[in-house]
Amino acid sequence: DSGVTQTPKHLITATGQRVTLRCSPRSGDLSVYWYQQSLDQGLQFLIQYYNGEERAKGNILERFSAQQFPDLHSELNLSSLELGDSALYFCASSAARGRGYTFGSGTRLTVV
Amino acid sequence: GENVEQHPSTLSVQEGDSAVIKCTYSDSASNYFPWYKQELGKGPQLIIDIRSNVGEKKDQRIAVTLNKTAKHFSLHITETQPEDSAVYFCAASNNDYKLSFGAGTTVTVRA
Repeated sequence: DSGVTQTPKHLITATGQRVTLRCSPRSGDLSVYWYQQSLDQGLQFLIQYYNGEERAKGNILERFSAQQFPDLHSELNLSSLELGDSALYFCASSAARGRGYTFGSGTRLTVV
Repeated sequence: GENVEQHPSTLSVQEGDSAVIKCTYSDSASNYFPWYKQELGKGPQLIIDIRSNVGEKKDQRIAVTLNKTAKHFSLHITETQPEDSAVYFCAASNNDYKLSFGAGTTVTVRA
């Protein structure tokens, strides 16, 4: 157990729907990162939050949004889902600058 | 932004032999280079990292080398074992927290 908790582990939904993925960072970690991993794209950075504030944005679609709450857990909202959104979504957290992330075990999203 | 290239994409080695994975980065300001191992059905796990003020770092059978001038860094696994079979990712960061990952190398250790 890495200490980063992601729920749900698996999600199957239809095109056009909206889903919410949840992440609880390791105790004490203030930064949360979201990554998308698909077969042909590797690990693509989506967005980073630090202590509740958005810190950096990557290749995140406008249909996707995220937030980090006062208790530091984060949610990634995916709307108007398309088949191409099927992927593994990872959350990671870190405590301090210059240290490696700790990843959660991911949420596998399948859009049908 | 940072661009990290990783080679090879697949690597098959005989058990007991060494494995080497190489990465290059584009941003000369990058100063932190971690390596992650991802096993099937799991999230990437940090296995070793190196900072730009260090040229080499070892941890048991794993070592990482960094050449700042050439902007490349490598992962070396010696005496490979079946449990080393996984996907390995290199990454680079320039202190803004965000890691840029290579495309990954699938390592298969043949018994």
